[in-house]
Amino acid sequence: GDSVTQMEGPVTLSEEAFLTINCTYTATGYPSLFWYVQYPGEGLQLLLKATKADDKGSNKGFEATYRKETTSFHLEKGSVQVSDSAVYFCALIPVGNTGFQKLVFGTGTRLLVSP
Amino acid sequence: NAGVTQTPKFRVLKTGQSMTLLCAQDMNHEYMYWYRQDPGMGLRLIHYSVGEGTTAKGEVPDGYNVSRLKKQNFLLGLESAAPSQTSVYFCASTVSPGFYGYTFGSGTRLTVV
Repeated sequence: GDSVTQMEGPVTLSEEAFLTINCTYTATGYPSLFWYVQYPGEGLQLLLKATKADDKGSNKGFEATYRKETTSFHLEKGSVQVSDSAVYFCALIPVGNTGFQKLVFGTGTRLLVSP
Repeated sequence: NAGVTQTPKFRVLKTGQSMTLLCAQDMNHEYMYWYRQDPGMGLRLIHYSVGEGTTAKGEVPDGYNVSRLKKQNFLLGLESAAPSQTSVYFCASTVSPGFYGYTFGSGTRLTVV
């Protein structure tokens, strides 16, 4: 079945460090890929997305590139801030299939950024 | 534009009590979903709806019922609450899952004692 695998957390970084959170997927068809962010006590917010191979999603300094050959969608940011501390979820929706399309989530990766 | 609004935000129930969680969206979205989030379990789909008057079971539907009488509202009911239903509940909606993903509400934190 369709699945998303994320790196275990927590990821602990100092402010201005480079961030990578790994995400790989298994899916039939050609999925759309998403990163969501959840700040403490809040709901999930869409951070960025990519709907076809080689697309790069970007938002708020975060980027992720849809790599079909490696089935990956790694999240990166060049310089993290304390305010980026949150839980990050990678997710996919398989498209091109009939029937109900459901977001499949990874387990989430907690990012902690210290001053 | 309020997006997805969940009420209430917090609730404490006694075992056996019933309650209804309300999700309202003002974006004219066809698809609506109820998830629960538990530590170490990630997000699990309870029920979903692909349009007004339709509902379907997700991964963990037992102990819950839903209704979608109006397009903008998706109600989640607990008929007889159990401690295992202590969780944070999220509603989400979308017009096109594959292209836009979901828009989530801010959640309802439910404790059953």
